[in-house]
Formats: sequence, C-alpha cells, structure tokens
Amino acid sequence: DTEVTQTPKHLVMGMTNKKSLKCEQHMGHRAMYWYKQKAKKPPELMFVYSYEKLSINESVPSRFSPECPNSSLLNLHLHALQPEDSALYLCASSQAPFRGPNTEAFFGQGTRLTVV
Amino acid sequence: SQQGEEDPQALSIQEGENATMNCSYKTSINNLQWYRQNSGRGLVHLILIRSNEREKHSGRLRVTLDTSKKSSSLLITASRAADTASYFCATDAGFSGGYNKLIFGAGTRLAVHP
Repeated sequence: DTEVTQTPKHLVMGMTNKKSLKCEQHMGHRAMYWYKQKAKKPPELMFVYSYEKLSINESVPSRFSPECPNSSLLNLHLHALQPEDSALYLCASSQAPFRGPNTEAFFGQGTRLTVV
Repeated sequence: SQQGEEDPQALSIQEGENATMNCSYKTSINNLQWYRQNSGRGLVHLILIRSNEREKHSGRLRVTLDTSKKSSSLLITASRAADTASYFCATDAGFSGGYNKLIFGAGTRLAVHP
C-alpha cells in the first residue's frame, strides 16, 4: 500500500467555523508533512512531523494547528480562517530516516479548501 | 519559501516531440527530485537524482544535474497527450532529525497536443 489518503477532498467553510483535515498512511513512514498550494503556484511547506513530534513550523499562522496523534495519522485543525487561506492542502509522508537522506515523498490527492 | 526557478513556465508541444524543462536552485542539496501534478491534485514522484550523480534515466525520462551551476533538467522523450501536467523540481537539503525538507520550484505547465 503506497497511498496517502486525505479527507475530505473538498471543504467549504465560513470564517468562524472550526474544521479539520485528515491524512492517513500505512507505509510505516515516520515523517509526515503538510503543504499549502495556491493556484498555479508550487507547494509551500507548512509543517513537518518526525516520529510524531513537530520538527518544522514554517511560520504558519496559529489559525492552522497541526496534530500527529500516531505514526499513521496527521491532522490539520482549522479555525478562524481568512478567504486568502483558500488553497489546496497536501499531505505527504516519507520513509526518512531509515533510508537516509535520499528518499522520495508520497503525496495525497489533497483537500481543496474554500473559505467564504 | 521557493527554492528556485523553473523554465519555461509553460510549454506546448505536439505528441511525439521531446519536452525539456529546466530547474535552478540556490543552496547546496542532498538530492533533487522531479514530481508531476495533474490538474491541481496530488503530486507523483518521477525521479530522484543524488548530488553526486550527473545523469539518470527512467523509461522516457532523463534527468541531468549540474551542481556547479545549481541546475537540473528533465527531458521527456516521445511525449504523449497523457504527459500533459505540471512538472515541479524539488530540492532536498535538510536531512536532520529524521525528515526530508523538500522545497519546490515554480513548475512548468506542459501541454501535449494530439
């Protein structure tokens, strides 16, 4: 199983709502990532978890709150978002560090978020 | 934070032609990877080239890496309409604490016409 599964595929939320994005992988990967991608732009790294611990927060606003409850799951909790936060949110995982630095990342299909 | 630039930003070719995309980056790297993205969905890994490699092949894909110029190119030979997608290079410079920090280039949108 080389899949990273993200739910939901689409999400529309109001600026006062609280919602969560979910990501799951069963490849035994111990590094998991959240990326944000605006239209016609490259993915931008938001958060990195390694062994269920937050390793990188790329100065992401606190209205985005990541959580890694176990080695297979990654959540992104959303609260009080702005319309400019509308984007495709991508989850990824990689096998690091077992295979050293030269490993590929596996991406989910993303959640397309619209904030109204 | 975007690592570098890709050119061209958009490329339109006929089926059967070759497509070449270039990527430049700014910092030292462990490896450089190429990914493909269809219609704004998930990214699919295509090929990884390590910093001590100069050229790598995978099927119709050929990747080169010039670390002295901090640049890479992706060649797709005998293109097909199904190759229509966005292609991103990604540099991996951070192997620390058990993760890989991939930073993506701007991407090239490839359109292959039947």
